[in-house]
Amino acid sequence: DAGVIQSPRHEVTEMGQEVTLRCKPISGHDYLFWYRQTMMRGLELLIYFNNNVPIDDSGMPEDRFSAKMPNASFSTLKIQPSEPRDSAVYFCASSPLTGDQETQYFGPGTRLLVL
Amino acid sequence: LAKTTQPISMDSYEGQEVNITCSHNNIATNDYITWYQQFPSQGPRFIIQGCKTKVTNEVASLFIPADRKSSTLSLPRVSLSDTAVYYCLVGAARRDDKIIFGKGTRLHILP
Repeated sequence: DAGVIQSPRHEVTEMGQEVTLRCKPISGHDYLFWYRQTMMRGLELLIYFNNNVPIDDSGMPEDRFSAKMPNASFSTLKIQPSEPRDSAVYFCASSPLTGDQETQYFGPGTRLLVL
Repeated sequence: LAKTTQPISMDSYEGQEVNITCSHNNIATNDYITWYQQFPSQGPRFIIQGCKTKVTNEVASLFIPADRKSSTLSLPRVSLSDTAVYYCLVGAARRDDKIIFGKGTRLHILP
């Protein structure tokens, strides 16, 4: 298996522009998570999906952020409009359903810089 | 909320055994303890997971005392390549308790 795939790996954009980050989870995994990592705040959970349905988006910082999962093999995280404070590394992770145990498999991340 | 506390940073030398302790006073009965490792410019990677007593794999050991209010990740004979950030998590993000990665423990291995 290729693992979790994210694209693009790097994104540089200007303030006000729309940014779309993409994720392909590991096949067969029931859960998909979006995280944001910064030096100041560490790794923060933004939203997660179960079987393509958003379950908890309480970590999404504001309405400028939105996430979708149209099918089991694809998810997007969109920021519109982007702001310099959105600059961070965004990770996607997926996890199989295994009772009380949870192991998350992370993608390589997308490094976003908003100028 | 299954909050954890771990040291911000640690230094050690090549060949030494490194133990990183994590406190989780309000761990629930069904909660598993999971450790992840993160290298610069990479996503976190699963290391080890356990619920009680001791778990060992090819990478590390996880020691969990009877009261389960803390746990210790043990890395035997570390090398320079073990320099990374290590995260201790309790529970599952997909439940209401919502695990928190936080800032982890920055381990620096010296030659």
